[in-house]
Amino acid sequence: DGGITQSPKYLFRKEGQNVTLSCEQNLNHDAMYWYRQDPGQGLRLIYYSQIVNDFQKGDIAEGYSVSREKKESFPLTVTSAQKNPTAFYLCASGPRDRGNEKLFFGSGTQLSVL
Amino acid sequence: AQKVTQAQTEISVVEKEDVTLDCVYETRDTTYYLFWYKQPPSGELVFLIRRNSFDEQNEISGRYSWNFQKSTSSFNFTITASQVVDSAVYFCALRIYNQGGKLIFGQGTELSVKP
Repeated sequence: DGGITQSPKYLFRKEGQNVTLSCEQNLNHDAMYWYRQDPGQGLRLIYYSQIVNDFQKGDIAEGYSVSREKKESFPLTVTSAQKNPTAFYLCASGPRDRGNEKLFFGSGTQLSVL
Repeated sequence: AQKVTQAQTEISVVEKEDVTLDCVYETRDTTYYLFWYKQPPSGELVFLIRRNSFDEQNEISGRYSWNFQKSTSSFNFTITASQVVDSAVYFCALRIYNQGGKLIFGQGTELSVKP
């Protein structure tokens, strides 16, 4: 089945620790996105990538980093600089900048701070 | 700046009632696209519909219907004869043509349908 796989489903971070969230897609999509969801605030864009080896900051990139070494993979690292990391993180993919094309979403990772 | 507003944070209805979820958007761009997504408790966003800025035709799909009005910058979503399975968080989103394909989301409306 084609789709987007996010892992792990639940993740816990200790103070001062970096953690990495995985996102893999087999839809042959060029573009991938990371969103953060907080209660009552909708989804906010962290980073996005339209092509391998290239990515851009979204609205709330501070404290996060990404890489795009392969078309299928777009991992997100939550660094110790992110002071309030507790949230639900969603990964998405879609065709490259085709305005009318829908994005496909993974099932998300819930990150909590210990 | 572009923005999407869903003023209704939570809505609670009894099964078989009709319910309308409001969505108001802001943009100065002339080419844009509007979307509705459903987020069930499992967390994954499920695509419902998309509309481009040049197509104001309303759409009906089973119990779902959408009303797009450029004059009021609104893209409202109505569920007719609601069912318990409709309980979810619903998001309205805006995408501007040629701006990286990113979606700008509203805050979401949590719909609870009680039996």
